[in-house]
Amino acid sequence: EVQLVESGGGLVNPGGSLRLSCATSGFTFARAWMIWVRQAPGKGLEWVGRTKSTGGDIDYAAPVKGRFTISRDDSENTLFLQMDSLKTEDTAVYYCTRGYRDSSGSYHGDDAFDIWGQGTTVIVSS
Amino acid sequence: QSALTQPPSASGSFGQSVTIACTGTSSDVGRYNYVSWYQQDPGKAPKLMIYEVSKRPSGVPDRFSGSKSGNTASLTVSGLQAEDEAYYYCSSYAGSNILVFGGGTKVTVL
Repeated sequence: EVQLVESGGGLVNPGGSLRLSCATSGFTFARAWMIWVRQAPGKGLEWVGRTKSTGGDIDYAAPVKGRFTISRDDSENTLFLQMDSLKTEDTAVYYCTRGYRDSSGSYHGDDAFDIWGQGTTVIVSS
Repeated sequence: QSALTQPPSASGSFGQSVTIACTGTSSDVGRYNYVSWYQQDPGKAPKLMIYEVSKRPSGVPDRFSGSKSGNTASLTVSGLQAEDEAYYYCSSYAGSNILVFGGGTKVTVL
């Protein structure tokens, strides 16, 4: 069964740091494009950033660029999100998700995401 | 990059159709055929319903269809069922390895 499980969320003070993990199983993680998406309370979805498969580019949304770092450990099939200099507006449920590979074999790591974790909640507050 | 614009709510009667618009700009929806739609129940993770404007992943009912004209993409749900009541989000590739989402539309089945 294909599965993504996030962990590491919690309550942190503004200016603090937190590291989220996304443990994956059931697919070849090393080949997958992996993405972080967040959802503030009562709000819509927001793309945070994306890593291509091993050795590929990593890109970030403007609001988190320079503060958040995406990394991956292909030996452990795990995706990470290091969040530094946290702000109250970073409060959200954070989802990890996988770039969709369609039936023709085309990857959609930049535009369509098929498997999602259950999310982990990050609250930035003093 | 600004979020795409969706109406906050939409409704349709059981068995009828509802169409949700997603308006972007010539830099995202208008430029790329990489519009996706997601269904999300409250407290749950989103589910991919449409990709590349009008394609359905395996397992998504053909009651769900997508289209695009200019800077506006649309999702139509035909033959509305009770289980279609949910939030729907559009997204579009916006170039420079960036993706933008819409604000979401709550669909109510009357």
